[in-house]
Amino acid sequence: NAGVTQTPKFHILKIGQSMTLQCTQDMNHNYMYWYRQDPGMGLKLIYYSVGAGITDKGEVPNGYNVSRSTTEDFPLRLELAAPSQTSVYFCASSLEGRGTEAFFGQGTRLTVV
Amino acid sequence: AQTVTQSQPEMSVQEAETVTLSCTYDTSENNYYLFWYKQPPSRQMILVIRQEAYKQQNATENRFSVNFQKAAKSFSLKISDSQLGDTAMYFCAFMKPSYNNDMRFGAGTRLTVKP
Repeated sequence: NAGVTQTPKFHILKIGQSMTLQCTQDMNHNYMYWYRQDPGMGLKLIYYSVGAGITDKGEVPNGYNVSRSTTEDFPLRLELAAPSQTSVYFCASSLEGRGTEAFFGQGTRLTVV
Repeated sequence: AQTVTQSQPEMSVQEAETVTLSCTYDTSENNYYLFWYKQPPSRQMILVIRQEAYKQQNATENRFSVNFQKAAKSFSLKISDSQLGDTAMYFCAFMKPSYNNDMRFGAGTRLTVKP
């Protein structure tokens, strides 16, 4: 049972470069999320999707983009990386329905230098 | 906007003892959900316990239980018979019923269980 899988686990990016963080889930969940976790802070929502073809901004979307072409995959794109995007990124998924549990990937530690 | 406050950045407890982690939240909603997530050094976020606001009874999961005080907007986590494997960051999270089920997280409490 893979659950939510994120790749890569670690990455160092230079300022101005772009990259895509991959996320896939095998639980047939419609809802998917991207969070970032900064030191001493809780997770903050970047983008979310409630189904294939539907995405929307969360609390901190600037500098990021997402797409959701399939139920399984929800990649996060960083354009023109900045040091402020140094963080740990978590992908999560959940079933539809009120108050359902979110299942998380193991996170990607991204450093922008 | 909902805010979640965890006032204890770090705590420690001796193995086999009991520890309580605090969480308060701010909301005008009457119906919502509260969660405690555990994040061990592996970084994996794991659900510990979930509480529905309209249920009076406090949720329990084996050694983990909550003290949910709706009027006080308080949601503390009690860990009984602490084990070394309980060493982790613990995050309190609030979810109001909404289109996307997104959660608001507290800043976390780092718990160390000492042998």
